[in-house]
Amino acid sequence: EADIYQTPRYLVIGTGKKITLECSQTMGHDKMYWYQQDPGMELHLIHYSYGVNSTEKGDLSSESTVSRIRTEHFPLTLESARPSHTSQYLCASSPPTLYNEQFFGPGTRLTVL
Amino acid sequence: GESVGLHLPTLSVQEGDNSIINCAYSNSASDYFIWYKQESGKGPQFIIDIRSNMDKRQGQRVTVLLNKTVKHLSLQIAATQPGDSAVYFCAERRSGGSYIPTFGRGTSLIVHP
Repeated sequence: EADIYQTPRYLVIGTGKKITLECSQTMGHDKMYWYQQDPGMELHLIHYSYGVNSTEKGDLSSESTVSRIRTEHFPLTLESARPSHTSQYLCASSPPTLYNEQFFGPGTRLTVL
Repeated sequence: GESVGLHLPTLSVQEGDNSIINCAYSNSASDYFIWYKQESGKGPQFIIDIRSNMDKRQGQRVTVLLNKTVKHLSLQIAATQPGDSAVYFCAERRSGGSYIPTFGRGTSLIVHP
């Protein structure tokens, strides 16, 4: 079992609220990622980081932002949640030089009413 | 456009049978192809990868076959067990760029006891 944690696991929130999804890993991995996934569908990369103070946008346009102040922590923030943000959000990390094997957290299932 | 996709959304097999999950890709510039397994309520888990200059790679009870002529890869699971029931994703890693894999749609494998 990978040592990567996401909180909360489930979140139901009203439109317009600001939310932060937490992701932490204890493996010392430099690379971290956020994906959005609808049930049974492919994973879409929304943000990634190669290390502290490094953040990049992924392939999927997203209204979220991320920060990487500490190696182990990679939170994702939605300033104003909308129903279109309803989805599962998966956080992952990978060690140096190992790009193919990502270690995923259990995910946060977000529902915006 | 560039895409990674799966032929069948659902595959049902009997316990003990061999399973074959297929995946088509369109980007000839990919240097690695990767398989992930996602169990219900969990994040994806790395299974195996194969470099584009290989035709076959074997792991524990799994074999990956790559046919570059028709841009097709498959994941074969020997002696399928109920614990193999999950959604399986193929992903491609393009040479150059961010080296982050792009995921295709999943195939749901259902193993009947």
